[in-house]
Amino acid sequence: GAVVSQHPSRVICKSGTSVKIECRSLDFQATTMFWYRQFPKQSLMLMATSNEGSKATYEQGVEKDKFLINHASLTLSTLTVTSAHPEDSSFYICSARDSLYEQYFGPGTRLTVT
Amino acid sequence: QKEVEQDPGPLSVPEGAIVSLNCTYSNSAFQYFMWYRQYSRKGPELLMYTYSSGNKEDGRFTAQVDKSSKYISLFIRDSQPSDSATYLCATTEADSWGKLQFGAGTQVVVTP
Repeated sequence: GAVVSQHPSRVICKSGTSVKIECRSLDFQATTMFWYRQFPKQSLMLMATSNEGSKATYEQGVEKDKFLINHASLTLSTLTVTSAHPEDSSFYICSARDSLYEQYFGPGTRLTVT
Repeated sequence: QKEVEQDPGPLSVPEGAIVSLNCTYSNSAFQYFMWYRQYSRKGPELLMYTYSSGNKEDGRFTAQVDKSSKYISLFIRDSQPSDSATYLCATTEADSWGKLQFGAGTQVVVTP
């Protein structure tokens, strides 16, 4: 099946710094990627939809200036958490959609902001 | 009100038992219904999906959708300890599976 990778798998950063998370589709081209956030014992919440070559679409309540998304190629999307604060600590998961419109999820990135 | 409701559990069953999971949803426009399995600190893995109402079987897994009552179910037969995970239901309106609405996820524990 299709494989989606994320890097890093875990990151700890200090409050006020920025963190970049990469999402890659390894064996297929993904015109659309999605970014989710998951708090402990809660479900996945869609943050934004990323389309290759265009601006991301953010869900209501998600600050686009804080969560910068870049989808520069058909296999790579990045999420940058700018000026991170402890409340941004969460599990960030990306998914990529192939030509059959099925979404494949990455393994997630655990962000801890101290 | 959440668009997709799912009991978070935990649901504990003995090995070999049938696991019964379900979700309800509120938006009648939802057309695709998915079940994902998520192990701790991992991304979700698609188990199966159904379109509109009906049943779908894949090995030990059976998914059912009843659009008239807005109720979706997943049954796991002959459960194994390796089935211990969180199971999330998800739905979407569009054919393109663009915007998935997830349930909270039910934690399942299969005891040997």
